[in-house]
Amino acid sequence: EVQLVQSGAEVKKPGESLRISCKGSGYTFPSYWISWVRQMPGKGLEWMGRIDPSDSYTDYSPSFQGHVTFSIDESVSSASLQWSSLKASDTAMYYCARDANNGKLLLWGQGTLVIVSS
Amino acid sequence: DIQMTQSPSSLSAFVGDRVTMTCRASQSIGTYLNWYQQKPGKAPKLLISGASSLQSGVPSTFSGGGSGTDFTLTISSLQPEDFAIYHCQQTYNTPLTFGQGTKLEIK
Repeated sequence: EVQLVQSGAEVKKPGESLRISCKGSGYTFPSYWISWVRQMPGKGLEWMGRIDPSDSYTDYSPSFQGHVTFSIDESVSSASLQWSSLKASDTAMYYCARDANNGKLLLWGQGTLVIVSS
Repeated sequence: DIQMTQSPSSLSAFVGDRVTMTCRASQSIGTYLNWYQQKPGKAPKLLISGASSLQSGVPSTFSGGGSGTDFTLTISSLQPEDFAIYHCQQTYNTPLTFGQGTKLEIK
């Protein structure tokens, strides 16, 4: 089955670091970019950027550049999204999605809920 | 960045109704426009790409149209499972951007 499976929900304190993951299966992982999308509580979708698993080339949205980092572990067909210092405003659901390098997000992970609270 | 504006923000309708929602881009994007459906607690699902191409498995009651800056998503006969939030997305350039969503509710 072609799918993206994300890591579980996280509860963190402001200032802490975090890495969440997105594992692809059932398809050739390097062939499709992975996009990350944020959805804050009760709000719309925000594209954070994307990474090419074949060479780890990244394309960050200016709104997220410098605050998050995308990475790839090709050996386990997994993409990661990480923060070095979380803020309360990072509280949101985060989705990974398969992107055929044309922005069309046909396959989505189930989402990872991140709660940042003191 | 290209701004995407959806209207209305929310819409109430009966099962069987025909509804149309719109999405406007802040600049011309050709037909680089996708529509997604999102149900509560679920990830979005791609319905339409290229402004009017229905994805496999999507009912023919859904249709999309438009080009340039103005786009529409029409559901010709609402079914109970269609009540959800609908998001438009431009893929003309990066950063990719979404509209704020239209929430379709049962009247």
